[in-house]
Amino acid sequence: SYVLTQPPSVSVAPGKTARITCGGNNIGSKSVHWYQQKPGQAPVLVVYDDSDRPSGIPERFSGSNSGNTATLTISRVEAGDEADYYCQVWDISSDHPVFGGGTKLPVL
Amino acid sequence: QLQLQESGPGLVKPSETLSLTCTVSGGSISNSYYWDWIRQPPGKGLEWIGSVYYNGNTYYNPSLKSRVTISVDTSENQFSLKLSSVTAADTAVYYCTRRRRSSGWYYFDYWGQGTLVTVSS
Repeated sequence: SYVLTQPPSVSVAPGKTARITCGGNNIGSKSVHWYQQKPGQAPVLVVYDDSDRPSGIPERFSGSNSGNTATLTISRVEAGDEADYYCQVWDISSDHPVFGGGTKLPVL
Repeated sequence: QLQLQESGPGLVKPSETLSLTCTVSGGSISNSYYWDWIRQPPGKGLEWIGSVYYNGNTYYNPSLKSRVTISVDTSENQFSLKLSSVTAADTAVYYCTRRRRSSGWYYFDYWGQGTLVTVSS
């Protein structure tokens, strides 16, 4: 089955840019979606279809996808961005979703 | 604004059946969406359990398929999850979600708040 690989943790200072990667075989041929999960809360969709933002998500959140790596970029990081981030694709061969293992983003 | 709310027992005994219901408000469950269950064991990542379409068609994670039943009740605007023969490994926060299609791919745009189900005697 399809596997998505995320780094366990990516640290960033306030005001800087955080880049969270999601690796998968030829992931550039799929649409990648990203979720933010704060402690004790449900995940929230922050980017869909590689780079689109749902209504209400700040422009600081952006995404890209090419080759074997998709990237979620958070610009001008704020303390409130501290959360776990999960990437997700739809695996056509098995016809079900696949999630990455998640990346913890501490804002130092 | 669409809202999803899980309900059901927070404690289930080993070998028994876990039963949860998701009530959808602010929109009709009969629109052309899939309605999914996803779970998250404490401190771990997200695992897809399965889904139901508004017409009753179901799709399950192969690793759980033998124990899972998902159904929809359009008259009540609800869908439900049953997981049989539970063990401690089924202890998790269970989320109900709406799945949306875009350009042939799917993502989850609405989530319930989640409910913790603990399997313990």
